[in-house]
Amino acid sequence: KAGVTQTPRYLIKTRGQQVTLSCSPISGHRSVSWYQQTPGQGLQFLFEYFSETQRNKGNFPGRFSGRQFSNSRSEMNVSTLELGDSALYLCASSSTGFSTDTQYFGPGTRLTVL
Amino acid sequence: TQLLEQSPQFLSIQEGENLTVYCNSSSVFSSLQWYRQEPGEGPVLLVTVVTGGEVKKLKRLTFQFGDARKDSSLHITAAQPGDTGLYLCAGESDSNYQLIWGAGTKLIIKP
Repeated sequence: KAGVTQTPRYLIKTRGQQVTLSCSPISGHRSVSWYQQTPGQGLQFLFEYFSETQRNKGNFPGRFSGRQFSNSRSEMNVSTLELGDSALYLCASSSTGFSTDTQYFGPGTRLTVL
Repeated sequence: TQLLEQSPQFLSIQEGENLTVYCNSSSVFSSLQWYRQEPGEGPVLLVTVVTGGEVKKLKRLTFQFGDARKDSSLHITAAQPGDTGLYLCAGESDSNYQLIWGAGTKLIIKP
């Protein structure tokens, strides 16, 4: 079974630009969660989608948005990029999205904002 | 706000040594998960502990959940270079069922 894939793996953008990241979950998984990972901060939860609906949201500004398509693939968008948005963005998929359900992570997209 | 603190933040030891890393909080968690993340990869789940006092073993790795379900430890016996990675703990909040993540312990095992 193919794992979670994320594209692109690396991105370099400048302040003020916007960016779209993509995540393809494991086949059959309907929940996709997005996380921001920075050194010393751990993983910060962005949002979770299940069957095309945002079910949970973390404490991030409205510049961070996402969506999920009918095939469970998900995209995350960050508008008006700031230097502090530089991070590894991880997505994770699971069958149900419940915290007791195993999450499978993709390799992440490394975003650098200059 | 629930927080999980991991210690040490960084640990570099020789192959064959034993080590323990800790995950502590003042909050109670329904369960606690341990992950290992290698460079260029996402975290991979190692174990989930659910019951206070629970001990789980995964080959040379021993995981323990505190009696009060506020803390956990990971003990590695006879560490191998393949154990190198970032070890993350994540607790399931009692109140909203979301995962709260620690910042991780970066472990380097030198041959």
